[in-house]
Amino acid sequence: EVQLVESGGGLVQPGGSLRLSCAASGFTFSNYAMSWVRQAPGKGLEWVSTISGRGGSTYYADSVRGRFSISRDNSKNTLHLQMNSLRAEDTAMYYCAKASFTNNGWHDYWGQGTLVTVSS
Amino acid sequence: QPVLTQSSSASASLGSSVKLTCSLSSGHSNYIIAWHQQQPGKAPRFLMKLEGSGSYNKGSGVPDRFSGSSSGADRYLTISNLQSEDETDYYCETWDSNTWVFGGGTKLTVL
Repeated sequence: EVQLVESGGGLVQPGGSLRLSCAASGFTFSNYAMSWVRQAPGKGLEWVSTISGRGGSTYYADSVRGRFSISRDNSKNTLHLQMNSLRAEDTAMYYCAKASFTNNGWHDYWGQGTLVTVSS
Repeated sequence: QPVLTQSSSASASLGSSVKLTCSLSSGHSNYIIAWHQQQPGKAPRFLMKLEGSGSYNKGSGVPDRFSGSSSGADRYLTISNLQSEDETDYYCETWDSNTWVFGGGTKLTVL
């Protein structure tokens, strides 16, 4: 059974940093691209970032490029999102999601999410 | 990059059928999309992947009441024999080389 468990969310001041993690199990982690997708309160889903299965390719939404960094540790089946220079508009539930292919594809499994609140 | 357009809301009666639409932007009519369901306060759930041909593959445990179809740039999610638990939000998704896109979502009301 595929399981994705996020952690690391919390309350942070504007300009601060936070590191999210996602522990994966139930599938061969290195064979699939992984993504972070967020959802601001009362809003729709917004893609944030994706990393290829081996970690060689990373992709970012314009809204976070240069501030966020995605990475993965295939030896530990773990995905990370380093978030710097956080802004109020980054406040959202952050979901870890598994892609259907090694480098891209639709998302076929989702974690339960971790909440990030950026406020002074 | 592609843009996905969904109606913000839809409604249908208990026990009836409803067809939700996701429209791909010009130049992207052959793209594969995915449908996701999101219950209030919960994570999204993958329902199916849907091709331009109308061929679809559902996720694990998705009831037979859910089906997909396509016509040109439009992708459809049909829910038959509507149940009260189907009243929630539905999102479509696609991707293009290095960008992923979600539609704005449709809130389905079961009358």
